[in-house]
Amino acid sequence: DAGVIQSPRHEVTEMGQEVTLRCKPISGHNSLFWYRQTMMRGLELLIYFNNNVPIDDSGMPEDRFSAKMPNASFSTLKIQPSEPRDSAVYFCASRGELGETQYFGPGTRLLVL
Amino acid sequence: AQKVTQAQTEISVVEKEDVTLDCVYETRDTTYYLFWYKQPPSGELVFLIRRNSFDEQNEISGRYSWNFQKSTSSFNFTITASQVVDSAVYFCALSEVANQAGTALIFGKGTTLSVSS
Repeated sequence: DAGVIQSPRHEVTEMGQEVTLRCKPISGHNSLFWYRQTMMRGLELLIYFNNNVPIDDSGMPEDRFSAKMPNASFSTLKIQPSEPRDSAVYFCASRGELGETQYFGPGTRLLVL
Repeated sequence: AQKVTQAQTEISVVEKEDVTLDCVYETRDTTYYLFWYKQPPSGELVFLIRRNSFDEQNEISGRYSWNFQKSTSSFNFTITASQVVDSAVYFCALSEVANQAGTALIFGKGTTLSVSS
């Protein structure tokens, strides 16, 4: 079975540009998570969906960040406009039932110049 | 408030040494889940183990073993006879059952393990 799929794997963009990260969760999983990893802050939750509904978006840094999950097999994380401090690795993870393991995608390494 | 502490930032050992990575957690929930993930230099996050709060049995998987003690809120990870391929950042994480949907993972800061030959 395919794991969590993320695209792109690497993204280099200039400050002010719009960035869209994509995630396809494991088939049958009903929860999806977006995390960000930086040296300063470690791994932190951005937003979490359950059955396509946002449950916790308290980690979304500011209005420049938005996330959608239009169906059970696809989610996007958008940054508009991007800033250098958004440079990080963005992970998507999915989980089946409550308490089960979260499986992570390979991450998107974002560099904003 | 929930929190995961990995006090050891970096550990360096020589191959074949045993090494224990410490993890201490804080939670008010009686039902929760603990995890360990490995992040090798290639950057992906690899799941190692999951344990629920009602199961304090220790677990062994090959060279890996885990010691869960609710009395001290610890979930330590031991690698026996370490190998160079064990070099990675190891994360301990906590997930609570705060509501019907549960919570996301709360990660510790990670412990960087370097195994030299």
